[in-house]
Amino acid sequence: DAKTTQPPSMDCAEGRAANLPCNHSTISGNEYVYWYRQIHSQGPQYIIHGLKNNETNEMASLIITEDRKSSTLILPHATLRDTAVYYCIVRGNTGNQFYFGTGTSLTVIP
Amino acid sequence: NAGVMQNPRHLVRRRGQEARLRCSPMKGHSHVYWYRQLPEEGLKFMVYLQKENIIDESGMPKERFSAEFPKEGPSILRIQQVVRGDSAAYFCASSTRDTLGTIYFGEGSWLTVV
Repeated sequence: DAKTTQPPSMDCAEGRAANLPCNHSTISGNEYVYWYRQIHSQGPQYIIHGLKNNETNEMASLIITEDRKSSTLILPHATLRDTAVYYCIVRGNTGNQFYFGTGTSLTVIP
Repeated sequence: NAGVMQNPRHLVRRRGQEARLRCSPMKGHSHVYWYRQLPEEGLKFMVYLQKENIIDESGMPKERFSAEFPKEGPSILRIQQVVRGDSAAYFCASSTRDTLGTIYFGEGSWLTVV
């Protein structure tokens, strides 16, 4: 599975959009981009995933560049409850396990 | 996270005792994954199981750790002769075959070895 690179930490003002970047320059054609988050002392929570098209659900939007070498998770209106570590993972659909890197620690500031 | 049930949520063991952690996957899920998270560290893959089969145990320590997912009942992660370094949060996740790409996590079991 391809490796991902994320900034270690970010701040975002409450109510503003949080844009979390992820680089995955070695992604291969059949690998999906997944985003999870882990709020302190809780289990990781699935957010969204995509292959090449942009995706949106009730939690977030995922923007994948045309060359698929990077992506951005967008939380449109961040709240204090969005403070968490966000993990970007690339994985083939026939892969067995998710490898979690160090993620981005997002702090939403009042 | 709703649906994947882990118990106990908190477990305290003395050095040398055994720890058993249980995971009931979401309804209809036949694939189970175990991860370990040491304090202030990231999630590390341990093992991937289907019913009655271990598919990938590349992340399991070679000694003292074992996992099973029987035909009936929950998946069990067993740690024998625990040491202080085993103190960690252990997370279970599950998926269906149809949604093999997305896994859903439980709330974790916190093991403290004293």
